[in-house]
Amino acid sequence: DIQMTQSPSSLSASVGDRVTITCRASQSISRYLNWYQQKPGKAPKLLIYAASSLLSGVPSRFSGSASGTDFTLTISSLQPEDFATYYCQQSYSSPYTFGQGTKLEI
Amino acid sequence: EVQLLESGGGLVQPGGSLRISCAASGFTFSNYVMSWVRQAPGKGLEWVSAISGGGGSTYYADSVKGRFTISRDNSKNTVYLQMNSLRAEDTAVYYCARRSSAETGYAFDIWGQGTMVTVSS
Repeated sequence: DIQMTQSPSSLSASVGDRVTITCRASQSISRYLNWYQQKPGKAPKLLIYAASSLLSGVPSRFSGSASGTDFTLTISSLQPEDFATYYCQQSYSSPYTFGQGTKLEI
Repeated sequence: EVQLLESGGGLVQPGGSLRISCAASGFTFSNYVMSWVRQAPGKGLEWVSAISGGGGSTYYADSVKGRFTISRDNSKNTVYLQMNSLRAEDTAVYYCARRSSAETGYAFDIWGQGTMVTVSS
């Protein structure tokens, strides 16, 4: 099974900050890496697919990048509505594993 | 509107069974792989199972293999998860999710609101 290691597990930041969350796959997953945002009591929402493609309607302050088995989600200027938990997920092969999550807090 | 709506969650005793459902609307259901993803209280997301568009191929996480069965009825636009031999560690919110096409990286692009399954005596 492919393991997804996400870091950090939590992150304190302020409105306007630039933040980066990292996800590392235990083996090659090409660019089959997706990022989700989840707010308390709500279902996850897809933000970025295929490592760096922004889903339609997602603000451009969100971006993703890839380098080998390392993937990064960047939020360029945090907004109040961005405080949530973020998950990476590989869609390369079953089981379609998620990272442990990063809780972004004020 | 593209939508997934789960139902059937509830309280069940350890060793018991439960079937949860997910009704889809707003898209051609049979064209998509469907998955179940769960989230234990205060924990992260765990992929549980998936089924191909025609229903002929199914996939399971090791944690549920042999106990859970995924199925679908394309005439009813509904996917099911039959859960047997339930354990306390199966307690979670169960989400239904649509897997997108290859063009969008096979991501889970549509999610239901979730249904809570509690395994407790």
